[in-house]
Amino acid sequence: AQTVTQSQPEMSVQEAETVTLSCTYDTSESNYYLFWYKQPPSRQMILVIRQEAYKQQNATENRFSVNFQKAAKSFSLKISDSQLGDTAMYFCAFVINNAGNMLTFGGGTRLMVKP
Amino acid sequence: DGGITQSPKYLFRKEGQNVTLSCEQNLNHDAMYWYRQDPGQGLRLIYYSQIVNDFQKGDIAEGYSVSREKKESFPLTVTSAQKNPTAFYLCASFGGQSLERLNTEAFFGQGTRLTVV
Repeated sequence: AQTVTQSQPEMSVQEAETVTLSCTYDTSESNYYLFWYKQPPSRQMILVIRQEAYKQQNATENRFSVNFQKAAKSFSLKISDSQLGDTAMYFCAFVINNAGNMLTFGGGTRLMVKP
Repeated sequence: DGGITQSPKYLFRKEGQNVTLSCEQNLNHDAMYWYRQDPGQGLRLIYYSQIVNDFQKGDIAEGYSVSREKKESFPLTVTSAQKNPTAFYLCASFGGQSLERLNTEAFFGQGTRLTVV
C-alpha cells in the first residue's frame, strides 16, 4: 500500500520569511507524480506545484519550490517571502500510473502566516 | 470551461435516510474519486473509479455506495449504515490512462457539506 506522511500538523511563519513543509512517501514504483495542494478556508483545493518522479530537477513555481529526494522518498515544499494569503492547509499527494491512478494524500499541515 | 461540479453545496440528512451527492466532470478524465474530510483533518478516500462500470473501495467505504454508469458522472450515496456521516465531501478527477497522456493535475469540486439533523 502506498502512504504519504506529513509530520508537521501545524506550522507558523512570519510574513516575508521562508518556511519548509515536509512530506515523505512510500512506494516501490518508479513512475509517479507528486503534488502539493493548498486548501484555504474556502476549502477549494488549489494545485501549488507538481513534480514528475523521472525528472531530477526540482520544480519551482514563483515563490514555491520543492526539494525532491527520490532515493529518500522525500518531497518538501519551500515557500519563500511568505504572504498572509498563504495561510491554509497544505496537502502532499502522489499518484502512481500502474496502480490505477490511485491518488493518495498526506494528513495535511496547517500553515499560519503571521503579520 | 472544463471543470468538475459537485452538488448540492449543503445537504441535510435525517437519521436513517439515504442521500446522494452528485459529481460531474467535463474534462474527459478517466479516474474519479470521493474523499471525506472531517474538521481539521486530511482527506480520506471513500471510493474511486478508473473506468466506467468499475470502481474500488477506498479506506473508509463502509456505509457508502457509488456508481459509474457514465464517464462524466460519479455519484456517492451515503446510506443509513453510515453512522457518522456529518463531514465535508470532496470529489476529484484525474486524466489519462498512461503517464505520458496524464493531465497531471487532479481537479476538485467545491465540496458538499453534509449534516445530520
